[in-house]
Amino acid sequence: GQNIDQPTEMTATEGAIVQINCTYQTSGFNGLFWYQQHAGEAPTFLSYNVLDGLEEKGRFSSFLSRSKGYSYLLLKELQMKDSASYLCAVVSPNDYKLSFGAGTTVTVRA
Amino acid sequence: KAGVTQTPRYLIKTRGQQVTLSCSPISGHRSVSWYQQTPGQGLQFLFEYFSETQRNKGNFPGRFSGRQFSNSRSEMNVSTLELGDSALYLCASSLGDESSGANVLTFGAGSRLTVL
Repeated sequence: GQNIDQPTEMTATEGAIVQINCTYQTSGFNGLFWYQQHAGEAPTFLSYNVLDGLEEKGRFSSFLSRSKGYSYLLLKELQMKDSASYLCAVVSPNDYKLSFGAGTTVTVRA
Repeated sequence: KAGVTQTPRYLIKTRGQQVTLSCSPISGHRSVSWYQQTPGQGLQFLFEYFSETQRNKGNFPGRFSGRQFSNSRSEMNVSTLELGDSALYLCASSLGDESSGANVLTFGAGSRLTVL
């Protein structure tokens, strides 16, 4: 089975940094996705990690440790438009199915 | 290029009725996956279709079914609706070529179903 945990909510100030953690206990692993979903909109792809380490994409970075079953998404220089839900999803090795965590709602305050 | 299109965007049904939702994937994408999204539960995988065949299936009752047409467009059907079926139903498309590893899913905006 798949067990994927993320915090439910986080609040931060504009310009600050926020780190969203995702821990997983899954029967097999073939990569981890992060998606962003604004209220009422479609989830959009942010990052994909399959090897250990940090992947940086502008203000957003994603880290993976396969031995610890742990990933985080780091959002730097927060902007109001970053207020959204962030979804962590683990890929199954056999069928490439994505299993999603419940999502973390980030609220950015002025 | 056009994104993933889902219709209808909103619908209201009563218990016992059935509903059909439609999804048009990105041109060239052969895989279509369906997810149910509810507050607190997150996205729950329903099924995936590739080349008109169901390739993967989640843990939903048989009331939930789907199909894919030769042009890769997909429909899902829910029969004998229950109150608990109220949710946002998201469709996602991808190339579906698993030989190169996990594919990025591109999601549609969803169909919000309310069951009264």
